[in-house]
Amino acid sequence: NAGVTQTPKFQVLKTGQSMTLQCAQDMNHNSMYWYRQDPGMGLRLIYYSASEGTTDKGEVPNGYNVSRLNKREFSLRLESAAPSQTSVYFCASSPERPTNSPLHFGNGTRLTVT
Amino acid sequence: GESVGLHLPTLSVQEGDNSIINCAYSNSASDYFIWYKQESGKGPQFIIDIRSNMDKRQGQRVTVLLNKTVKHLSLQIAATQPGDSAVYFCAENRRAGNMLTFGGGTRLMVKP
Repeated sequence: NAGVTQTPKFQVLKTGQSMTLQCAQDMNHNSMYWYRQDPGMGLRLIYYSASEGTTDKGEVPNGYNVSRLNKREFSLRLESAAPSQTSVYFCASSPERPTNSPLHFGNGTRLTVT
Repeated sequence: GESVGLHLPTLSVQEGDNSIINCAYSNSASDYFIWYKQESGKGPQFIIDIRSNMDKRQGQRVTVLLNKTVKHLSLQIAATQPGDSAVYFCAENRRAGNMLTFGGGTRLMVKP
């Protein structure tokens, strides 16, 4: 039981390049989330998916798109990367809405945009 | 405590002592709170949670206290060990539905 798995672990992009961050969970959770974490700061929600087939914006959605591919997988896409998107990205999942249960996090993707 | 910019508040304790990490939350309507531990290079790890109908909840070596009057949350770690060294975050559900909002974190350093 791997929990939440994120790929890749590290990535360097040039400004304007695109990429997709992958996330998969094997806990049969309904809800999935993408957060970013900047140095010395807490996590900020980018997008979430309350259930398969639905996605919604979080606090900082600009510059990102998401796809809930199936119940297990939730991907985050940067269409045209900018240096301001240099960050550590965490995917998380929960059995239901987080008002009722804690989130389970992956180990992150460290992205640098030059 | 809450972070300011790039500098995390740091709590330094001696191994074996008790640690208390504090967090102020902002929304009096929040009804669910969580403490997470994050070690270097890893994702946040769930420690303990508490709902607003409780004042105190205990786990293994950890206790969370909730004071709704002053919107304050604390995490107490008994007999702190070197493996407890990490950054600790509190989180609240500021908006009913699907959002957990995280505080800036406190770094705990345990001296042997």
